[in-house]
Amino acid sequence: EAGVTQFPSHSVIEKGQTVTLRCDPISGHDNLYWYRRVMGKEIKFLLHFVKESKQDESGMPNNRFLAERTGGTYSTLKVQPAELEDSGVYFCASSHISGTEKYEQYFGPGTRLTVT
Amino acid sequence: AQSVAQPEDQVNVAEGNPLTVKCTYSVSGNPYLFWYVQYPNRGLQFLLKYITGDNLVKGSYGFEAEFNKSQTSFHLKKPSALVSDSALYFCAVRDSNTGGFKTIFGAGTRLFVKA
Repeated sequence: EAGVTQFPSHSVIEKGQTVTLRCDPISGHDNLYWYRRVMGKEIKFLLHFVKESKQDESGMPNNRFLAERTGGTYSTLKVQPAELEDSGVYFCASSHISGTEKYEQYFGPGTRLTVT
Repeated sequence: AQSVAQPEDQVNVAEGNPLTVKCTYSVSGNPYLFWYVQYPNRGLQFLLKYITGDNLVKGSYGFEAEFNKSQTSFHLKKPSALVSDSALYFCAVRDSNTGGFKTIFGAGTRLFVKA
């Protein structure tokens, strides 16, 4: 079984530019989550999809961040325009929708975003 | 508000000795508690969870954790550490009262196991 994949692994952009991160969850996982870890601090929840629907986007920092999951498969997270404080590692995770396995999130390796 | 505290940035232990990585939490309702481990250049891997039932839960790689409701703690333990256990460990909590899947993570504790 393939794990959660994320692309790119690393992105360096200038302030004001746009970046789009992609996450491919494990096949069959309806739950998809985005998290961010900044400067060695805690991993912060950004949002949660169930299939293509946003269930909770309370962690999205501001309207410069836009997440989509068209068709309920892969998801994208766009930052436009990027600011210096957006630098960090963006993690994607997925899980089943039901059963005890729904509590176990499978994480991708993360995308390290550097805004200069 | 939900929160997780991992009071130690780093834990050092000699191989073969027992290890403990501390975690305390705060939620308004009943907690769902988790431990994840991150190895270099890898995503977080699930270790174990407490949802309900026995306060002592056992997980992968010989790790276990004990849920202590009165102390609001969920410390990760292993009886005998291995050098290969060296990694970054994250404690996480979800509030069962919210009914959602929002998970709050701690800042992580780096474990060094010396041979």
